[in-house]
Amino acid sequence: SAVISQKPSRDICQRGTSLTIQCQVDSQVTMMFWYRQQPGQSLTLIATANQGSEATYESGFVIDKFPISRPNLTFSTLTVSNMSPEDSSIYLCSVEGITGVNTGELFFGEGSRLTVL
Amino acid sequence: AQSVTQLGSHVSVSEGALVLLRCNYSSSVPPYLFWYVQYPNQGLQLLLKYTTGATLVKGINGFEAEFKKSETSFHLTKPSAHMSDAAEYFCAVSESGANSKLTFGKGITLSVRP
Repeated sequence: SAVISQKPSRDICQRGTSLTIQCQVDSQVTMMFWYRQQPGQSLTLIATANQGSEATYESGFVIDKFPISRPNLTFSTLTVSNMSPEDSSIYLCSVEGITGVNTGELFFGEGSRLTVL
Repeated sequence: AQSVTQLGSHVSVSEGALVLLRCNYSSSVPPYLFWYVQYPNQGLQLLLKYTTGATLVKGINGFEAEFKKSETSFHLTKPSAHMSDAAEYFCAVSESGANSKLTFGKGITLSVRP
């Protein structure tokens, strides 16, 4: 398994500002994933972050709104830009299982709960 | 494309009663299936998974699930609920052989009454 640390764990932000969420993993991983969990809803994949290349965004998510960095194999950041109240969500970082076999299993950080006023 | 259906948003059981959380999926290829649990103010934790082999899989905390291909189902059960089982439960599917891209159901909240 992997230990995933996210910062901040929660924050209250003003409309129009941007916030960067950090994700640190205790082992090297190829792919890191960023999910959004809106209140009362399921998890939606925002993008896949690969080291050394641009992130791959899912339909409905764009780089200008959610820029992602992946400077090395243990770290990634997600920025939520020009925030509005609709961006109030839990943002979760996740990585694949470190088993050498792709089974689709993911490990999750504890999430960053953002409230936008 | 793959999808997951979890009917209902909330299940309430008495302590000691059977827990049954339903999950149906659609997938164009043999699926990998997962149940995750999210306790209040925490991230998601894997309960159990099915990839290949035995269709009845056992997970942590006494939970188990059975993959039924003919019914495209992967229902989660526990014979006797405990107060500590109160949480949100997510069923998820990914396609075997593909890069890890999980599709989650909308989740179901389990409450346990004393």
